[in-house]
Amino acid sequence: DIQMTQSPSSLSASVGDRVTITCRASQDISNSLAWFQQKPGKAPKSLIYTASSLQSGVPSKFSGSGFGTDFTLTISSLQPEDFATYYCQQYNSYPFTFGGGTRVEIK
Amino acid sequence: EVQLLESGGGLVQPGGALRLSCEASEFTFSSSAMNWVRQAPGKGLEWVSTITSGGTSSYYADSVKGRFTISRDNSKNTLYLQMNSLRADDTAIYYCAARVYLAYWGQGTLVIVSS
Repeated sequence: DIQMTQSPSSLSASVGDRVTITCRASQDISNSLAWFQQKPGKAPKSLIYTASSLQSGVPSKFSGSGFGTDFTLTISSLQPEDFATYYCQQYNSYPFTFGGGTRVEIK
Repeated sequence: EVQLLESGGGLVQPGGALRLSCEASEFTFSSSAMNWVRQAPGKGLEWVSTITSGGTSSYYADSVKGRFTISRDNSKNTLYLQMNSLRADDTAIYYCAARVYLAYWGQGTLVIVSS
């Protein structure tokens, strides 16, 4: 199985900060990588697919990059509504696997 | 707007069975792979199963293989998850999600396995 390792597991940031979250796959997954945002008590929401494609309706302050084993999610200017937990997920091969999540908190 | 509505969750005893449903609307259900993803209380996301658009192939996490069965009825725009031999560690919110890259999610249905 492909292991997905996210870092950091949590971070504290201020409104307006640029935030970067990293996801590393245990083997090459090409660009079969998605990112999700989850707020407490809510279902996850798709942000990015194929590593860098923005899901329809998602603001352009979110961006993704990477290929192979190393990927990043960047939030260009953190806003109050962005405080949430973020997950990466590989869909290159079964079983699909998620990273452990990164909780973004208010500093 | 794409809508996915799960139902069928509830309280069940260990060893029992439950069938979840996910009714889809406002997108071409029959052309989309569909998935079940679960989240245990206070934990992260866990992929459970995927079924191809035509229903000919399905895939499972090792943790549910042999106990859970995914299926779909494209004439009813509905996805199912038959869960047998339920265990306490199956307790979770179960989400259905559309497309192989989980583009759209339902609101989830809670399954509690407890005596």
